[in-house]
Amino acid sequence: GAGVSQSPSNKVTEKGKDVELRCDPISGHTALYWYRQRLGQGLEFLIYFQGNSAPDKSGLPSDRFSAERTGESVSTLTIQRTQQEDSAVYLCATSLAGGLGNIQYFGAGTRLSVL
Amino acid sequence: GQSLEQPSEVTAVEGAIVQINCTYQTSGFYGLSWYQQHDGGAPTFLSYNGLDGLEETGRFSSFLSRSDSYGYLLLQELQMKDSASYFCAVTVQTGANNLFFGTGTRLTVIP
Repeated sequence: GAGVSQSPSNKVTEKGKDVELRCDPISGHTALYWYRQRLGQGLEFLIYFQGNSAPDKSGLPSDRFSAERTGESVSTLTIQRTQQEDSAVYLCATSLAGGLGNIQYFGAGTRLSVL
Repeated sequence: GQSLEQPSEVTAVEGAIVQINCTYQTSGFYGLSWYQQHDGGAPTFLSYNGLDGLEETGRFSSFLSRSDSYGYLLLQELQMKDSASYFCAVTVQTGANNLFFGTGTRLTVIP
């Protein structure tokens, strides 16, 4: 596609429910990243995929968070048993490769609100 | 680990020049990038410095001094649409994930 696409753009859920966030990368981009951005804050790294493998999951805040990528394409970030502190914008970014100096292209994000 | 510092907020007048500084502490430093994010929007890449010196792209320039672990983003002829958050990010040679973002500088351009 022309750019990184994320869905849904907004998600409101009740505390304790599970949510799935989707990221469709730019075609051919092998590297994919998930970030969390709380209101007015910086970008908090969550997980990095190279192809379908995740060599770096160090940013996942708890075992309630998981992510997968299939077909070296779509990725889903799953948050189980959501808590109010999970409320944030979840951004996906992709780059042509995971190497040094590669530009990351971001989607518009999913704004998650946990009530 | 990585540590980046940039001012949280900057205000400047339309038509003026503003400089946003970024200092970093990291091992395996490779380069410094800048990203722009408008409210509610996606971060977008602005510039990358792999070598010391100034990189110019239109009204925007970015500078890097490896010896000082310091860089800046320079915005000239400020326009109202430049009001946004600006993030510096370091690329490092260690680890699988190699891009780390600062906390961002919110630039407000006033008439």
